[in-house]
Amino acid sequence: KAGVTQTPRYLIKTRGQQVTLSCSPISGHRSVSWYQQTPGQGLQFLFEYFSETQRNKGNFPGRFSGRQFSNSRSEMNVSTLELGDSALYLCASSVGQGSYGNTIYFGEGSWLTVV
Amino acid sequence: QKEVEQDPGPLSVPEGAIVSLNCTYSNSAFQYFMWYRQYSRKGPELLMYTYSSGNKEDGRFTAQVDKSSKYISLFIRDSQPSDSATYLCANTGNQFYFGTGTSLTVIP
Repeated sequence: KAGVTQTPRYLIKTRGQQVTLSCSPISGHRSVSWYQQTPGQGLQFLFEYFSETQRNKGNFPGRFSGRQFSNSRSEMNVSTLELGDSALYLCASSVGQGSYGNTIYFGEGSWLTVV
Repeated sequence: QKEVEQDPGPLSVPEGAIVSLNCTYSNSAFQYFMWYRQYSRKGPELLMYTYSSGNKEDGRFTAQVDKSSKYISLFIRDSQPSDSATYLCANTGNQFYFGTGTSLTVIP
């Protein structure tokens, strides 16, 4: 069974640009969540999508957005990139929605560098 | 106060040592506890999952939860160089909360 797939794995963007990251969940998983990982802050929750609807959102500015498609695949977008957005962006999928009783499985992540 | 606090390390031990990794959490409503292992430049992978106080054992790994003191631990017996990674504890409230990770190096 294929795991969570994220593309692209590495990318470099310039301040002010926007970026779109893609995530394909494990087959049968309907929930996709996104996290930002930095050395100083660790893993921080961005948002969760289930059945094409955003179900939960972390404490990030509106420049960070996402969506989920009918096949459960998800994309996240960051507009007007700032240097501080440089991070590893991780996608995770789970069978059900939310955190209670669920187990989430991570992809390899997308390394974003903003210069 | 962060929901989950974790000793950042780094931790360096000789091969064969017993490793103890620890986290504390703030919200007594947290019910589910997990440990993830993350190798360099990889995504975290689920190592252990438990929802009750006490110990859960899986091979060389033991997860321990003490809900009365809001303390969770991961013990690694007979540590191997392949255990060198960052270990993340996680709890669940209305979302998953992760510690910042403890970097472990096992020296051959």
